[in-house]
Amino acid sequence: AQKITQTQPGMFVQEKEAVTLDCTYDTSDPSYGLFWYKQPSSGEMIFLIYQGSYDQQNATEGRYSLNFQKARKSANLVISASQLGDSAMYFCATIYNFNKFYFGSGTKLNVKP
Amino acid sequence: NAGVTQTPKFRVLKTGQSMTLLCAQDMNHEYMYWYRQDPGMGLRLIHYSVGEGTTAKGEVPDGYNVSRLKKQNFLLGLESAAPSQTSVYFCASNKLSDRGRFYEQYFGPGTRLTVT
Repeated sequence: AQKITQTQPGMFVQEKEAVTLDCTYDTSDPSYGLFWYKQPSSGEMIFLIYQGSYDQQNATEGRYSLNFQKARKSANLVISASQLGDSAMYFCATIYNFNKFYFGSGTKLNVKP
Repeated sequence: NAGVTQTPKFRVLKTGQSMTLLCAQDMNHEYMYWYRQDPGMGLRLIHYSVGEGTTAKGEVPDGYNVSRLKKQNFLLGLESAAPSQTSVYFCASNKLSDRGRFYEQYFGPGTRLTVT
């Protein structure tokens, strides 16, 4: 089965600075996808970014980029120019066998003014 | 489009009672999922469906049943609720991209269930 590990329970970042949230995964499947979701205090799950295992380039979506290092099995999320509204829980997730999703335990990000 | 909706938003049950959570999506997605999220944890997959009339077990299926009689609806049932099922339940759906890859899961707003 897949396993997702997020080793940072909580992080602080100064507004306007960049921050990296760590995610490692464990899979023997050659085809998989990696996702990042944001969960603000209101509770909804917001999709941020997706990376396929066969994608040659790192995914980017606005201020979000995914630092995908396949050999190290890591898929870190980089948020550039942090904003106060970025304060939230962030979850890394992977899809396995085309239909099963596994989520990490999350990282709580606090952006300081 | 409403996206993914969940009914109800909140519910309190007594131990042993039963209930059904309804998930509906209007995006014509084939795949639908039920997750639970316990405090301080990520989401865990309960059951999922890859199409109308099909369901399968996820990571934590015990104590739950599901049905997908219509493509747009995915029902989660608790036959005899237990305090350990106190959680926030999320429904999600997704499509395959035109290259046959999963791209994005769309989540409902969640249902907060308390079992006393």
